Parts: sequence; C-alpha cells; structure tokens
Amino acid sequence: DTAVSQTPKYLVTQMGNDKSIKCEQNLGHDTMYWYKQDSKKFLKIMFSYNNKELIINETVPNRFSPKSPDKAHLNLHINSLELGDSAVYFCASSQDVSELAGGRDTQYFGPGTRLTVL
Amino acid sequence: GQNIDQPTEMTATEGAIVQINCTYQTSGFNGLFWYQQHAGEAPTFLSYNVLDGLEEKGRFSSFLSRSKGYSYLLLKELQMKDSASYLCAVLDSNYQLIWGAGTKLIIKP
Repeated sequence: DTAVSQTPKYLVTQMGNDKSIKCEQNLGHDTMYWYKQDSKKFLKIMFSYNNKELIINETVPNRFSPKSPDKAHLNLHINSLELGDSAVYFCASSQDVSELAGGRDTQYFGPGTRLTVL
Repeated sequence: GQNIDQPTEMTATEGAIVQINCTYQTSGFNGLFWYQQHAGEAPTFLSYNVLDGLEEKGRFSSFLSRSKGYSYLLLKELQMKDSASYLCAVLDSNYQLIWGAGTKLIIKP
C-alpha cells in the first residue's frame, strides 16, 4: 500500500488556468505538508496542516490555497497559473511536528507532481 | 537568515568511500536529517542526529557537531545505486525543516 499518494504525477497546462493536485496519506499522521522543488532542487515548504489547521504558511502567492477535507487529505489548488509555477510539488506527512525532534518520526514524501506551465 | 550549505555535486568511484558535508545556520536546532533522493523520485529518510557524534547505519554513517554547525554523511563501499542527491535538513526552533539544495553524487565504475 502506498503511504503517501499524489495525483496527478504529471500536469501540463497553459498559463492562466486553475488546477488542483490531490494528496492522500494512509499512515494516520496528524500533519501534512506541501513542498515546491524548483529546477535548482531546493525543497521549499509551502504549507503544513495539523488536524485541519494551517500551522505554517510561507510567503507563497495567495494564488496557492491548500484545502484539507479531512486529516488524511491535503489538496493544493492553484489559480491563474504562471510560468514560474513550473516545478515538482511534493506532498509529505508526519506525526505532530514535535515528534520530528528526537528522531521519533520523520516526514514521508509522496511521489511528486511535475507541473509544467506553458 | 537561515542557511544550509552543501556541495552541489560530487563524484566517486564504485567501492570507494565518500563524505558529503553540510554546514548550517538556523534559528534554533532540534536535529539534523539526511535524505536520499533519486532522480525523479521523492526524498527518503536516511538518518537523524541531534547529539554530537557519529551515528552508524550499515554502509551509511552521519556525524554531527552542533558547536560547529556541521554535519557529514559518510557512504562506504559505494554502489552504483547510491547515485542520487543527498539532502541535508535542519529542524529549527519552530519545528520547521530547513532544507539544503542537496548534493548530487555521481558514482563511476
């Protein structure tokens, strides 16, 4: 069974369109994250949700909006796509962020969604 | 600001040993992670250090010096499948993971 799954794996779209990427985890984790990995390979945190509450919201454009219908899902909706949005988007999950300290837990990543904006 | 530095790329020979360094400057410290990422795939967890010293796990070992803001990942008996990017990440005082850009490791026969 896939622990963290994302759909779609590839997404090619035109500038100005609106698109969504879905993420699901079956690990029973409390916290889910969205990362953007650009061509320089930096992993940049975009959002994290803990029990359906947004706890990190980095300085990302408000065209990006996370939506969490329940603890197991965190979807990413993007409005008015721009060329600079082209990147790989990773979903991840973990137990509470405090569990990362002490090595009691780690983040588990989904397979990534490669978004190309033309 | 917060900063994680790693070499961009390293090359090593199959069967040899390679050390990948990571230096960091962060707001607080709650541990350092190493992840492996093969091309086109997701990062996967390798190791975690929070205390000074060496943690060994099979062919891979990770070292931490908190006073120097320094860590390294040591890979022994290199295999072709070890060709990947290795990401260093620090958990800061807000329990936020700060990521380095990763070191691309190329293994040659």
